[in-house]
Amino acid sequence: GAGVSQTPSNKVTEKGKYVELRCDPISGHTALYWYRQSLGQGPEFLIYFQGTGAADDSGLPNDRFFAVRPEGSVSTLKIQRTERGDSAVYLCASSLNLAGGANTGELFFGEGSRLTVL
Amino acid sequence: DQQVKQNSPSLSVQEGRISILNCDYTNSMFDYFLWYKKYPAEGPTFLISISSIKDKNEDGRFTVFLNKSAKHLSLHIVPSQPGDSAVYFCAATGGTSYGKLTFGQGTILTVHP
Repeated sequence: GAGVSQTPSNKVTEKGKYVELRCDPISGHTALYWYRQSLGQGPEFLIYFQGTGAADDSGLPNDRFFAVRPEGSVSTLKIQRTERGDSAVYLCASSLNLAGGANTGELFFGEGSRLTVL
Repeated sequence: DQQVKQNSPSLSVQEGRISILNCDYTNSMFDYFLWYKKYPAEGPTFLISISSIKDKNEDGRFTVFLNKSAKHLSLHIVPSQPGDSAVYFCAATGGTSYGKLTFGQGTILTVHP
């Protein structure tokens, strides 16, 4: 497809389990972003990649959260020892250029992965 | 601390009239601002943006105004259409934070036929 693809669309897990969420960005987009959106809130920044490297991971809430993008395309967000507070919609976005700055890159979002931790 | 705030959780407008959505920010390093629209069960979609070197940007029925001294921006939709009913998010970036968008809480716009 032409857009950002995220899998799974829905994930229900038990507290303490490990979860992986996958993002397939638009082909050719160098920047990839992960956001988390809780009910009634705006998307909250987690991490972004420029190519294979994490350029800014300041939004990751703690060391249970980790993300990789080994070949500069697909990214996986990994959550260890899930907690009920991790329940949210996890949004992935990609852009041709970095958002803001001289070469402003519009972010294209996927539909999100809804994570529910019981 | 909420660096980008949308103080109106919801707005209801009659079709054909103007919709005005407001956004305030506190971080003076922000110099690029965007509006996104979100329908249920979909990801946000980009609507319009503005750089801090401008005070107005227009795209069809959508105009964004920026008041840097007040750290305030607004999105005007004229004329409003029922298909505009969605959640609208204001976002900002800049300074050392390029690449990281900070979003407001969103405003639910309902346009009545």
